[in-house]
Amino acid sequence: DAGITQSPRHKVTETGTPVTLRCHQTENHRYMYWYRQDPGHGLRLIHYSYGVKDTDKGEVSDGYSVSRSKTEDFLLTLESATSSQTSVYFCAIGTSLDYEQYFGPGTRLTVT
Amino acid sequence: QKEVEQNSGPLSVPEGAIASLNCTYSDRGSQSFFWYRQYSGKSPELIMFIYSNGDKEDGRFTAQLNKASQYVSLLIRDSQPSDSATYLCAVNIYTGANSKLTFGKGITLSVRP
Repeated sequence: DAGITQSPRHKVTETGTPVTLRCHQTENHRYMYWYRQDPGHGLRLIHYSYGVKDTDKGEVSDGYSVSRSKTEDFLLTLESATSSQTSVYFCAIGTSLDYEQYFGPGTRLTVT
Repeated sequence: QKEVEQNSGPLSVPEGAIASLNCTYSDRGSQSFFWYRQYSGKSPELIMFIYSNGDKEDGRFTAQLNKASQYVSLLIRDSQPSDSATYLCAVNIYTGANSKLTFGKGITLSVRP
């Protein structure tokens, strides 16, 4: 997985609770991304980062926030989880916004 | 408006056949094109990229790009059961001044022994 880890790999949480997912890379890539993947929707970009403390929204950013305090770590936070946020979340890294990306192993999140 | 479209699946081929996976995109300015393979329960894995019109071969895989017609294809020769997976097409799409990699929804390939 190109030196990318995600934690936790699986999580079950209750509606209304905060959740933080972590992505860690050892490749020193500038760009980091968070996607969610749902049946019928494919991969959808939530947020991305183009450097430490530099982030921007993707197409489905509502209800999510991100932070990047170090090059190697990119955190995704669900401030108050909802059932619609049940999904598989993938982190990806890349050297440019519009070239190849390499994906982490994913986190399966279930909100009950 | 869908920006990267992949023809509806699933696609089923017998072992040893050629599997043809197609992808169309909406942005005439797109310049980078990628194919990812995703096994069930796993993350997407980059298998091919192509930047210029024409064919690019890598082992049993051939990527074909036609910018005038705005499509990119992936051919898998001598298909094997291990090729059974979902294949995602990704294209850089411009929105304003920025260009971002945009993924199609994928097509599921099943190779019958």
